[in-house]
Amino acid sequence: GAVVSQHPSWVICKSGTSVKIECRSLDFQATTMFWYRQFPKQSLMLMATSNEGSKATYEQGVEKDKFLINHASLTLSTLTVTSAHPEDSSFYICSARDQIGTDTQYFGPGTRLTVL
Amino acid sequence: GEDVEQSLFLSVREGDSSVINCTYTDSSSTYLYWYKQEPGAGLQLLTYIFSNMDMKQDQRLTVLLNKKDKHLSLRIADTQTGDSAIYFCVSTGGGNKLTFGTGTQLKVEL
Repeated sequence: GAVVSQHPSWVICKSGTSVKIECRSLDFQATTMFWYRQFPKQSLMLMATSNEGSKATYEQGVEKDKFLINHASLTLSTLTVTSAHPEDSSFYICSARDQIGTDTQYFGPGTRLTVL
Repeated sequence: GEDVEQSLFLSVREGDSSVINCTYTDSSSTYLYWYKQEPGAGLQLLTYIFSNMDMKQDQRLTVLLNKKDKHLSLRIADTQTGDSAIYFCVSTGGGNKLTFGTGTQLKVEL
């Protein structure tokens, strides 16, 4: 149980285009999902907390107009990188919080974004 | 803000025990987690410990928590080549935000 999927797993796009990444909790409902960014050989950096039915809460330094988050249902959150640039190239990982039991966050497999 | 520190690299021989250490600053952490990340992959929850526990054992994994010193360790018994990965120590702060350690890369040699 507690499986989180992400789609796509890898995307290459041209500079200036927008890219949407989906995060789904497959066998549980998640009112809260989190989006992280990970640079090579570095730890995860929390970008934003996504709450179902309300606006996301962004961490300091994260541009909310660039990284659009939508959490339209209890099993789906999307991250859209708008007008992507090469410096946005990174590994994006989402997690979904299972609020039953230990309140554990379960992580998706990640999406590698490469902006040319 | 909260901080979680880990050593960056650990190398052990196959069959030996591995001990990965972690120190954290957030004394309000309710749970402390260990996640495993294999190359190019997402994070896999290995185990967790509740803050009022001293020890938790789960098959080859033993977690020790010294709450007074804010020190957490993960011991992997009979380490195998498949255990080679990056291990993240993670504390939980206010609002259930996770604070990740720097990650310890474990290399298992034959």
